[in-house]
Amino acid sequence: EAGVTQFPSHSVIEKGQTVTLRCDPISGHDNLYWYRRVMGKEIKFLLHFVKESKQDESGMPNNRFLAERTGGTYSTLKVQPAELEDSGVYFCASSQGGNHLSEQYFGPGTRLTVT
Amino acid sequence: AQTVTQSQPEMSVQEAETVTLSCTYDTSESDYYLFWYKQPPSRQMILVIRQEAYKQQNATENRFSVNFQKAAKSFSLKISDSQLGDAAMYFCAYLQGAQKLVFGQGTRLTINP
Repeated sequence: EAGVTQFPSHSVIEKGQTVTLRCDPISGHDNLYWYRRVMGKEIKFLLHFVKESKQDESGMPNNRFLAERTGGTYSTLKVQPAELEDSGVYFCASSQGGNHLSEQYFGPGTRLTVT
Repeated sequence: AQTVTQSQPEMSVQEAETVTLSCTYDTSESDYYLFWYKQPPSRQMILVIRQEAYKQQNATENRFSVNFQKAAKSFSLKISDSQLGDAAMYFCAYLQGAQKLVFGQGTRLTINP
């Protein structure tokens, strides 16, 4: 069974540009999460999808971030325009259920560098 | 809001020895779940062990065990018989609202051969 995949693995962009990160969850997983780790700090929750609906987007930093999950399969996270403080590693995770019994499986992350 | 603190940015241990990674958390909830995740270099983060707060018995998974002290809000991870493959970043996490994980800052563990 394929795990959670993320693309690209690394992206370097200039301040003011746009970047789109993609996450493909494990097949059949209705729940999809985005997290990010800014350099040296803790991993922070961004948002949670159940199928195509946003269940919780309380962690989204501002309106420069837009997450979508059309069709309830893969998800994209767009940053527009990117700022220096957006640099970090963006993790995606998926789970079959949406409760404490369902383990979240993580992707390898996308390292975003904004210069 | 719940917070998770890992006070050891880096730890090292000799191969075959035992090491304990510390984690404390803050919550006003009585029922919750705690986790340790491991992220090897350039690889995906994987779940190592989980603990339900309502269970008094400490969770164990082979060489990995936890010391869960609910009153002290402490959740340390003990790795016995450390192996080279245990080298990784270790993250302590709290499950909030049964859905989103709250993570600590991470501890980088080095295994010395």
